[in-house]
Amino acid sequence: SQTIHQWPATLVQPVGSPLSLECTVEGTSNPNLYWYRQAAGRGLQLLFYSVGIGQISSEVPQNLSASRPQDRQFILSSKKLLLSDSGFYLCAWSHKNEAFFGQGTRLTVV
Amino acid sequence: RKEVEQDPGPFNVPEGATVAFNCTYSNSASQSFFWYRQDCRKEPKLLMSVYSSGNEDGRFTAQLNRASQYISLLIRDSKLSDSATYLCVVDRGSTLGRLYFGRGTQLTVWP
Repeated sequence: SQTIHQWPATLVQPVGSPLSLECTVEGTSNPNLYWYRQAAGRGLQLLFYSVGIGQISSEVPQNLSASRPQDRQFILSSKKLLLSDSGFYLCAWSHKNEAFFGQGTRLTVV
Repeated sequence: RKEVEQDPGPFNVPEGATVAFNCTYSNSASQSFFWYRQDCRKEPKLLMSVYSSGNEDGRFTAQLNRASQYISLLIRDSKLSDSATYLCVVDRGSTLGRLYFGRGTQLTVWP
C-alpha cells in the first residue's frame, strides 16, 4: 500500500532563516505530488504541484520554492522566511484525482 | 467568486441529529467531487467521493447537482466522533489532479 511521509511535524523558525520541508512517498511510482498550505482559519491553498522529476509548477507567487530531485521525493524550501509563511504545510500525492495527505508540518515563524 | 464555497458553520448538533452541509463550485468543467474530513490539527482525509447519481456510505449521503453546481453531504444519526471540519473538494477539470478545496464546515456533535 502507498504511504506518504512528511517531516518535521512541528517547526519554529526565526524570520529570515531558511526552510526545508521534505516529503517522500512509498508504494507508488511517478505520482503527482503537491504542497498545500493551510493558514489559521483558512482553506487549503495549493502552492506547488509536480508531475515528474524536475517538473514543478507554482500556483501562486510567494517566498517559497519546490524541488523534486527524485521520483518520490518532494521538497519545499525558502531562503528567508517571512512571518506570513506561518501555517500548516501539507504534502499530498494523487491517484485518479483523489488526494492523500501527509501528516503535515506546523510552521511558526517568529 | 471563489472556486468552492461552503458555509463555515459552526454547526452544533446533539447526538442522533441529522445535519446537512452544502457546497457550490464555479468551474463547470469539474469532473470529480469529494468530501474530506479534517480533525483538529490533523491532515484532511477522504470521507467519500460524490457521484452524479448520488451515493451513500452508512450514515453519510452525498448528492451532486451538476446543473446548479451544487454538492451536499447529509449525516444521519450524528455521533460524537463525527465532530470535525468537512471540506468540499472539486477538481479543476484537468487530468493533473489539481483540486479546489473549500474552507470547510465545522461540525460539533454534543452529547
